[in-house]
Amino acid sequence: EAGVAQSPRYKIIEKRQSVAFWCNPISGHATLYWYQQILGQGPKLLIQFQNNGVVDDSQLPKDRFSAERLKGVDSTLKIQPAKLEDSAVYLCASSQRQGPSYEQYFGPGTRLTVT
Amino acid sequence: GNSVTQMEGPVTLSEEAFLTINCTYTATGYPSLFWYVQYPGEGLQLLLKATKADDKGSNKGFEATYRKETTSFHLEKGSVQVSDSAVYFCALRNNNAGNMLTFGGGTRLMVKP
Repeated sequence: EAGVAQSPRYKIIEKRQSVAFWCNPISGHATLYWYQQILGQGPKLLIQFQNNGVVDDSQLPKDRFSAERLKGVDSTLKIQPAKLEDSAVYLCASSQRQGPSYEQYFGPGTRLTVT
Repeated sequence: GNSVTQMEGPVTLSEEAFLTINCTYTATGYPSLFWYVQYPGEGLQLLLKATKADDKGSNKGFEATYRKETTSFHLEKGSVQVSDSAVYFCALRNNNAGNMLTFGGGTRLMVKP
């Protein structure tokens, strides 16, 4: 079974530029998550989707971050404009369903460096 | 709110040494507790979990016991190998709040031959 796919793996941009990350979850997984992992810290949830609907985006900085999952399968996370403090690894995860019984599977992440 | 605190690294051990990585938590209700591992260049993988007090999670020689009285979930392994070198994350999920995971800051383990 293929795992969670993410691209690109690495991205370097200048501040005030825009960037987008892509995630393809495990086939059949209804729930998709985006996490931000700043160097030396644990991952922090940015947004959670159930199919193509947003379940939780309370920690998403909505003035510059946006995410979509239009067809309920793959998802994109966008930052516009980027700030230096956005430098982090962006992790995508998926689970079969929402709820405590369902394990989250993580992709390899996209490492973003903002200069 | 929920929070997880784990010991800072790096932890450097020789092969076959005993490992303990401390983890304590603060949560409302009765959370499930997890240890995730992140090998170099790879995504987070679930290592073990425990869903209620006194449960012991175990996998690949690693163990952790859910201690409600001390709000702890320390990770242990009796004899580490070089291949165990990775970053370990303790996490909790409040079972009344969907599937959201709250992570600790991670502990890097380096095992030398």
